[in-house]
Amino acid sequence: QVQLVQSGPEVKKPGASVKVSCKASGYTFSAYYIHWVRQAPGQGLEWMGRINPNSGGTNYALKFQGRVTMTSDTSIGTAYMELRSLTSDDTAVYYCARLVVVPGAKWFDPWGQGTLVTVSS
Amino acid sequence: QSVLTQPPSASGTPGQRVTISCSGGSSNIGSNTINWYQQLPGTAPKLLIYNNNQRPSGVPDRFSASKSGTSASLAISGLQSEDEADYYCAAWDDSLNGWEFGGGTKLTVL
Repeated sequence: QVQLVQSGPEVKKPGASVKVSCKASGYTFSAYYIHWVRQAPGQGLEWMGRINPNSGGTNYALKFQGRVTMTSDTSIGTAYMELRSLTSDDTAVYYCARLVVVPGAKWFDPWGQGTLVTVSS
Repeated sequence: QSVLTQPPSASGTPGQRVTISCSGGSSNIGSNTINWYQQLPGTAPKLLIYNNNQRPSGVPDRFSASKSGTSASLAISGLQSEDEADYYCAAWDDSLNGWEFGGGTKLTVL
């Protein structure tokens, strides 16, 4: 079945960087964009950006531009999200999600299980 | 402040019908399809409704959705205790050039 499996929880100090991985299985990895969405404790969902695994092309939400880098390795079907200059406001669960596109519509399915990133001194 | 507006909470008793609204604008719901996601406590979001009103296989037909203009709504009939979750609407925004989520609605089954 189509599945996204993310790397484990991380604890980082303020100012550090974190890199989260998202391994895809059950479909052709290069055929679907991977998006990243985060959720701060008790808060809603926030879109961070996306990567086209086929071309490596990326688009980032304005809020994260300059601080985030999304990459992918098609040889192992894995996408990565690196966030730099972490502050306590970056404490959140980070999700990857596959974007399904058909003429006139698109949606996220499935989602990874989430990776908790805790930023604390 | 989310671009898409949802009520923060909703509730109902088992068997009841509840609706959750999602209000947006011309650059998101008004010009793109809307999707709904269900997030059970402690789990990742799961696709509930796609393309305005389509249910993925495995989603009970108790869940339905509609869209009109710049607003959408999710309806859950025959409410069950396992429906207690957070529900999010989402749509692409042409002006912001990114995905927007509603703030989420916490559904409580009394």
